Amino acid sequence: QQQVKQSPQSLIVQKGGISIINCAYENTAFDYFPWYQQFPGKGPALLIAIRPDVSEKKEGRFTISFNKSAKQFSLHIMDSQPGDSATYFCAPLRSQGNLIFGKGTKLSVKP
Amino acid sequence: DSGVTQTPKHLITATGQRVTLRCSPRSGDLSVYWYQQSLDQGLQFLIQYYNGEERAKGNILERFSAQQFPDLHSELNLSSLELGDSALYFCASSVDRRGGRTDTQYFGPGTRLTVL
Repeated sequence: QQQVKQSPQSLIVQKGGISIINCAYENTAFDYFPWYQQFPGKGPALLIAIRPDVSEKKEGRFTISFNKSAKQFSLHIMDSQPGDSATYFCAPLRSQGNLIFGKGTKLSVKP
Repeated sequence: DSGVTQTPKHLITATGQRVTLRCSPRSGDLSVYWYQQSLDQGLQFLIQYYNGEERAKGNILERFSAQQFPDLHSELNLSSLELGDSALYFCASSVDRRGGRTDTQYFGPGTRLTVL
């Protein structure tokens, strides 16, 4: 069964715009909600993560918003830059468990 | 650089063959995870080892096996290879303090396997 649904599949944003990627999950046992960034030919790298006891976390231009009751969390990239062009994955997991990856969102930021 | 190393970077082999992928975790990390990334299946968890012991299994085929050695490096063995096994194979590691909070998983650069 698909435990994680990520949308959109692809996203084109102008430089300076806001990129928003959404993730819905089914497993209420998840207790860690990271977003990973992957550039072509590289491994995924942790971008930002949130635990379910807070509703929002901001690190620089990147913000996670978490809605526990709706079982959704989203990634907001403010002032998007061409260097942000990559594939983004939500990947929630249970404590000391393995990551369950969404299908990914390919972000292209146009200059 | 995540601190996780994987060898080889690329591997080209024929159907029916057997290959071994190697992973060295970050210094001090006790857990090693293997993931497969393909166009149709996305990123899928295969197997996890913690301090030499198998901890969790995901969508790993019976033709595939893994182990973690006393020095904590890990190897993923793929046998009787099929065309559909062509994919990127990633290793990740985390500290995984026993009884502690979930730790970040750090990914290696991957091994690209091509089965011809």
